[in-house]
Amino acid sequence: DQQVKQNSPSLSVQEGRISILNCDYTNSMFDYFLWYKKYPAEGPTFLISISSIKDKNEDGRFTVFLNKSAKHLSLHIVPSQPGDSAVYFCAASEKGGSEKLVFGKGTKLTVNP
Amino acid sequence: EPEVTQTPSHQVTQMGQEVILRCVPISNHLYFYWYRQILGQKVEFLVSFYNNEISEKSEIFDDQFSVERPDGSNFTLKIRSTKLEDSAMYFCASMDDNQPQHFGDGTRLSIL
Repeated sequence: DQQVKQNSPSLSVQEGRISILNCDYTNSMFDYFLWYKKYPAEGPTFLISISSIKDKNEDGRFTVFLNKSAKHLSLHIVPSQPGDSAVYFCAASEKGGSEKLVFGKGTKLTVNP
Repeated sequence: EPEVTQTPSHQVTQMGQEVILRCVPISNHLYFYWYRQILGQKVEFLVSFYNNEISEKSEIFDDQFSVERPDGSNFTLKIRSTKLEDSAMYFCASMDDNQPQHFGDGTRLSIL
C-alpha cells in the first residue's frame, strides 16, 4: 500500500544551492499535505503544510508546491544549509488534517558545506 | 514551545510480556495518535483517539493493543503480549483543531 511515495531515498546538495524533494500520492481523497523533518533519535518535526485549495505555500526558506492534477508535491529549500541535513517525510491526510497521516518512506537530505 | 513527551525512550521486553508506552500530549490538544516505524520502513498509523474514544484504528491495531487516557494528561499504548515483530519506534502525536500533528521523540521498543 503505497499511497504516498518518495522515490528518492537520498539527495545531496551543496550549501547555498536549492534542495528539491519530491512526493507523489495516489489517493484522490487526500486534501492536506505536510512535510516533516526528522533528525536521528528524535521524532518528526513539522515543517510546512499545504491545503489542496492552494498550489503553493511559503515559509521563509521553505516552499511547498502542489500539483493536484499530477498528484505531486515538492518541497524547495533555498538556500540550503548544513543544518538542513535530515530525513524529510512527506505526509498526507484526508478531511483537512484531522485524520491519520499517511507517510512516505522519506528522503535523506545531505547539505555539504 | 510545548512538546509531546514520551517515556521511556527505550524499552526492552521479553516476548510475551505486556508493555505500556506512555505519552504526555501537548496541553489543550484534542486529538491523539500512535504511530510506529519498524526499522527501515515507513512511519505507519496505529490508532487515533478523540473525545475519550478510538476514532480510527489500523489493521495493525489488533486485540493485543489498547489505548487509554487515564487522567486527562497521559495517553498510553498497551501491548498485551508482545511479539518479536512489535519491535519498532513508537511515536505519539497530538493535535489541536486546524493545526498539524506534533510528534514526540518516540519510544524504541525492543522485544527479545
